[in-house]
Amino acid sequence: SAVISQKPSRDICQRGTSLTIQCQVDSQVTMMFWYRQQPGQSLTLIATANQGSEATYESGFVIDKFPISRPNLTFSTLTVSNMSPEDSSIYLCSVSGPAEQYFGPGTRLTVT
Amino acid sequence: KQEVTQIPAALSVPEGENLVLNCSFTDSAIYNLQWFRQDPGKGLTSLLLIQSSQREQTSGRLNASLDKSSGRSTLYIAASQPGDSATYLCAVLAYGFGNEKLTFGTGTRLTIIP
Repeated sequence: SAVISQKPSRDICQRGTSLTIQCQVDSQVTMMFWYRQQPGQSLTLIATANQGSEATYESGFVIDKFPISRPNLTFSTLTVSNMSPEDSSIYLCSVSGPAEQYFGPGTRLTVT
Repeated sequence: KQEVTQIPAALSVPEGENLVLNCSFTDSAIYNLQWFRQDPGKGLTSLLLIQSSQREQTSGRLNASLDKSSGRSTLYIAASQPGDSATYLCAVLAYGFGNEKLTFGTGTRLTIIP
C-alpha cells in the first residue's frame, strides 16, 4: 500500500489569493491524481500528473486556475489560483497502486 | 461518459441490523470497482476492491458484490455498529492502460443509531 501525506491539512484563504497544496507519497509512483470534493458532493477528478510531462486536465479544469507540478516520482503540488468562494472544497491527492487507488487525507480549503 | 449512482443517498438503521448499499454504473467496460468510506471532513479509506473478473470480495463484516453485465454493485454490512456511520462511496475504474480515472458515485450517508 501507499502512504500519502498532504500539506496543509486545512486553510482559510481570502478571495483573490492562491494556495499551493503539497502531496508526498512514501514510494515512487508513475501517476498522481488530484481530486476536488465540493461541499455535499462526490469527488471530481481535476487532473492527472505524470512525472516529466504536463498534467492532463479534465473537462472544466484549466492549467491557469489549477497549475500542477510533478518534479519527481514521490511529490506533486496543486495550486488553486485567484481563489473565489466557489473554490471552497476538500482537495485530495491520489495514486494508483498495483491493485487499487490510495488517497491522501485531503486539504480542506475555505475561501472567504 | 461513465455515470455512477448510489441509492439511497442517506440511510439510518438501528445498531445490529444488516444493511445493503447500492451502486450502479452506466458503462460496463470497467477495470475494477472500489468501495470507500469517508468520515466527515476526512479523506477516503479503501474498504474493498473487486476486479472486473470477480463476483465478490469480503473483508470482515463487509461483503461487496459486482454484476458487471447489469452495471451494479452492492456493499453488504453485517451486524452494523455506530462506528460504521460514515459516507460510503463507490468508484469505478475505466478500462485500459493509461486511462486510470476513477469515476465516483454520489455517495450514501449512513447513520447507525445506537
